[in-house]
Amino acid sequence: DTEVTQTPKHLVMGMTNKKSLKCEQHMGHRAMYWYKQKAKKPPELMFVYSYEKLSINESVPSRFSPECPNSSLLNLHLHALQPEDSALYLCASSQTSGRGYEQYFGPGTRLTVT
Amino acid sequence: AQSVSQHNHHVILSEAASLELGCNYSYGGTVNLFWYVQYPGQHLQLLLKYFSGDPLVKGIKGFEAEFIKSKFSFNLRKPSVQWSDTAEYFCAVGGGSQGNLIFGKGTKLSVKP
Repeated sequence: DTEVTQTPKHLVMGMTNKKSLKCEQHMGHRAMYWYKQKAKKPPELMFVYSYEKLSINESVPSRFSPECPNSSLLNLHLHALQPEDSALYLCASSQTSGRGYEQYFGPGTRLTVT
Repeated sequence: AQSVSQHNHHVILSEAASLELGCNYSYGGTVNLFWYVQYPGQHLQLLLKYFSGDPLVKGIKGFEAEFIKSKFSFNLRKPSVQWSDTAEYFCAVGGGSQGNLIFGKGTKLSVKP
């Protein structure tokens, strides 16, 4: 099983809402990633978790709050987002972080902030 | 700092034509190189990867890529494209200690039937 699942597929939220994105993998991977992809642009790294600890935060605004409750699950909590945060949010996982390991991507959550 | 350049923004080919998509990277250390594909409405899928060894790498669906260290290049090739190859293709380099990927801007491939 090389699947990374993400829920929900689509999310529409207002600027005052609080919502969460969920990502799950059952490949035994110990590194998980959040990327943001705007239309017609490449994915941009937001966060890296390695062994359930946050190891990279690419200067992401605090209105995005990641959480890794266990090695299979990764959440992204959203609060007070702006319309420019509308994008496809991709989750990925790899065996571990570091060089030499390919990342497997989920289908993404398409987020629209109104 | 790492960077990845994909020279072609949009490539249009007829079926059975040969394909070569350019990718150049900038990184001072040991790199791992990847090509990912994103079919319309689908998630990113790994086409092929280079970590070490034979610089000619074969991937899925008949794609291959050649790592040329002296040119900092990792071009993607396919001898004969099909309509089903229509997609966005991303070159990526992974060189950081945390395995984070840096993606190129992508090349949109449109194959005419």
